[in-house]
Amino acid sequence: EPEVTQTPSHQVTQMGQEVILRCVPISNHLYFYWYRQILGQKVEFLVSFYNNEISEKSEIFDDQFSVERPDGSNFTLKIRSTKLEDSAMYFCASSETTSGNEQFFGPGTRLTVL
Amino acid sequence: DQQVKQNSPSLSVQEGRISILNCDYTNSMFDYFLWYKKYPAEGPTFLISISSIKDKNEDGRFTVFLNKSAKHLSLHIVPSQPGDSAVYFCAALTGTASKLTFGTGTRLQVTL
Repeated sequence: EPEVTQTPSHQVTQMGQEVILRCVPISNHLYFYWYRQILGQKVEFLVSFYNNEISEKSEIFDDQFSVERPDGSNFTLKIRSTKLEDSAMYFCASSETTSGNEQFFGPGTRLTVL
Repeated sequence: DQQVKQNSPSLSVQEGRISILNCDYTNSMFDYFLWYKKYPAEGPTFLISISSIKDKNEDGRFTVFLNKSAKHLSLHIVPSQPGDSAVYFCAALTGTASKLTFGTGTRLQVTL
């Protein structure tokens, strides 16, 4: 069964460093998403991406965040200068369409900022 | 921002009995609702969904009920199995947006 994959599973970084989280969405899906879950809190939407551009973003997704689809299979989230409060599980998801269609999630990357 | 609320942080049910997980929402623009199950250190796994034009959707042991006037939905699992022990998230979409708005989750424990 096709699935969303994410690498790395765990990333530890120093405050102020740049990190890139990688995702391979399901191959025939056209819509891609990033969510995060801070420990003990709800899963929060960060950004959605379609046709090589951001279609929606939350207030969390400020200038330190960016997304890219560098090739036909990968979808990346870059955090330019990490802060302690960026420590969270980051989930990538993909779907065939938007509303009315379920989003399939990857296993997540645990980001720890020291 | 509590547009989707799951007021029960945890629920314990005996194996074989029915599990009922509840979810309330405040945004009347939501028109599609989903339930996800999450194990520790894994991503949310899609379980079942319902469109706002329906009031019930069933898939095997899982049934979702939607009461639009009360802005309430529930997930019924029957019979409950030990493997159902996980955190269950309710999520909602609007027709014009692509983002899922999640509830805080309910931890279900199915005991033997």
